[in-house]
Amino acid sequence: GQSLEQPSEVTAVEGAIVQINCTYQTSGFYGLSWYQQHDGGAPTFLSYNALDGLEETGRFSSFLSRSDSYGYLLLQELQMKDSASYFCAVKWYRAGSYQLTFGKGTKLSVIP
Amino acid sequence: DVKVTQSSRYLVKRTGEKVFLECVQDMDHENMFWYRQDPGLGLRLIYFSYDVKMKEKGDIPEGYSVSREKKERFSLILESASTNQTSMYLCASSQDRDSVETQYFGPGTRLLVL
Repeated sequence: GQSLEQPSEVTAVEGAIVQINCTYQTSGFYGLSWYQQHDGGAPTFLSYNALDGLEETGRFSSFLSRSDSYGYLLLQELQMKDSASYFCAVKWYRAGSYQLTFGKGTKLSVIP
Repeated sequence: DVKVTQSSRYLVKRTGEKVFLECVQDMDHENMFWYRQDPGLGLRLIYFSYDVKMKEKGDIPEGYSVSREKKERFSLILESASTNQTSMYLCASSQDRDSVETQYFGPGTRLLVL
């Protein structure tokens, strides 16, 4: 099966930088996605890494190391609206189809 | 923008009832998914479909079935609802069979089974 580990909760100060880590054990691994979900809202796609390295999208960056089975989401210049749950998800292949398996999520609280 | 809609935001059903959850997407996506989300457990895949009349089991298909008669519509069916199926149900779609990494989610249906 697929196994993902991410911290359950993280607290950070407005304006600071926070890193949310994700480690995985996945057969047929293709890449790592990140999603954001505000309380009461739907998950929304943030980023996807198929190759090693850092991908930057505005204040958010995502990193992948395939050899270490590890990735992280980096949020810079934190804003109160970044308070949400963040999910890493592995894309993997089995028996003719791709699937996405989600981690249990990290609840980020941004404090003034 | 992709829009995924779900038939109900909140639903209350009795144990043993047959429950239908409907999902519609308007972007001609090939893939559609049903997840349930429970506190501390993240999103767990119930079923997915990459084509009309096709379905694949996810991680927790027991107690559920699905139907995809039209490309834009994917239904989740609880044949005989039980209290342990009380949960948030999320539908999602992605462009094609290969691009599961980018999914668009509906607003969710919060189901309470009494």
